[in-house]
Amino acid sequence: AQKVTQAQTEISVVEKEDVTLDCVYETRDTTYYLFWYKQPPSGELVFLIRRNSFDEQNEISGRYSWNFQKSTSSFNFTITASQVVDSAVYFCALNDYKLSFGAGTTVTVRA
Amino acid sequence: DGGITQSPKYLFRKEGQNVTLSCEQNLNHDAMYWYRQDPGQGLRLIYYSQIVNDFQKGDIAEGYSVSREKKESFPLTVTSAQKNPTAFYLCASSRETGGVNNEQFFGPGTRLTVL
Repeated sequence: AQKVTQAQTEISVVEKEDVTLDCVYETRDTTYYLFWYKQPPSGELVFLIRRNSFDEQNEISGRYSWNFQKSTSSFNFTITASQVVDSAVYFCALNDYKLSFGAGTTVTVRA
Repeated sequence: DGGITQSPKYLFRKEGQNVTLSCEQNLNHDAMYWYRQDPGQGLRLIYYSQIVNDFQKGDIAEGYSVSREKKESFPLTVTSAQKNPTAFYLCASSRETGGVNNEQFFGPGTRLTVL
């Protein structure tokens, strides 16, 4: 069974639109961490955000924000006012005893 | 600057050959990892190492081998036993394996193509 599901395969938007990426996870552990990584065309994964299972407070960091809802096992990520440089593959990941990645969502931002 | 380096960036291999992918980190991290990425898929764990001279199989270790003789280095050998080795390989490190809060830092990757 897949532990991390990213239902959106591809999203295409015009610059300045907001983009929300969905992530649903599955774990039996009560202590775990959730992550979002960005993979630009260069290939290197870049760490974006981290949230632990005990902190459901949603936050905003610059143009990034996330919505963690433990009741629905979801950890959605939003890019506000998207820019062309945001074009990349975004991965959601769960670390309970090891890191498990979703399949990724390809985001294309058109000028 | 601290970081992870992988070499080469592109690697071509003939069928039946073994090849070794290099991964070096100067972050003083204890744990290192190797992942494989195929198009349209997430990362799958091949091997990981928590300390020098110790490593564990991940989800898809068959056809691969690793060594961890130095803290900074974690080379991956793709053997001829790996039936479908063409993929993008990513190396990562973190402060420790057991801490679920530790983010992993990734290298730039090696794209392996079997001819």
